[in-house]
Amino acid sequence: DAGVIQSPRHEVTEMGQEVTLRCKPISGHDYLFWYRQTMMRGLELLIYFNNNVPIDDSGMPEDRFSAKMPNASFSTLKIQPSEPRDSAVYFCASSFETNYNSPLHFGNGTRLTVT
Amino acid sequence: SQQGEEDPQALSIQEGENATMNCSYKTSINNLQWYRQNSGRGLVHLILIRSNEREKHSGRLRVTLDTSKKSSSLLITASRAADTASYFCAPVTDNTDKLIFGTGTRLQVFP
Repeated sequence: DAGVIQSPRHEVTEMGQEVTLRCKPISGHDYLFWYRQTMMRGLELLIYFNNNVPIDDSGMPEDRFSAKMPNASFSTLKIQPSEPRDSAVYFCASSFETNYNSPLHFGNGTRLTVT
Repeated sequence: SQQGEEDPQALSIQEGENATMNCSYKTSINNLQWYRQNSGRGLVHLILIRSNEREKHSGRLRVTLDTSKKSSSLLITASRAADTASYFCAPVTDNTDKLIFGTGTRLQVFP
């Protein structure tokens, strides 16, 4: 099992540009989560999906952020237009069960720098 | 959903010493999970302890749970430099729909 795979590992872009982060969850996992981590705010949950359907996007900071899960093996998080304050590490995680009786499996993140 | 609060925020010890970190939470739980995050990596699940369990072991890790005090502790025995990481707890209630993490405990183990 390759684990949760995120790409790219690092992204540097200029303010105003569109950024797309990608995630492949572990096969068979029904839940997919997007988190953002910064020194100031810690680890924040942005959105999560169950069976490809967005369940809770209350953590998405602004309309500039959008997430999709077109199928069970792929999700994207898009920022358009990007701003310097979006600089953070973005993590994708997946899990098998509801109620968190099974653990979350995290990818190694995408470090986004917006200049 | 609720967030656990880890204490202390930072901990520095020598290799071979034991490290203890604590987690407090506010409402009754179904289970509580501990995660480790090495620098530049994603969180890794360490151990899950259910509300009807008082203690659980995994290798050099020992987790205790006191539901009357709404607290848990993670003990790492005979620490190694490779244990240097941030440690997070995540309490899970019966109707939890998302895991929320606190700011964690940053553990530094000096060789």
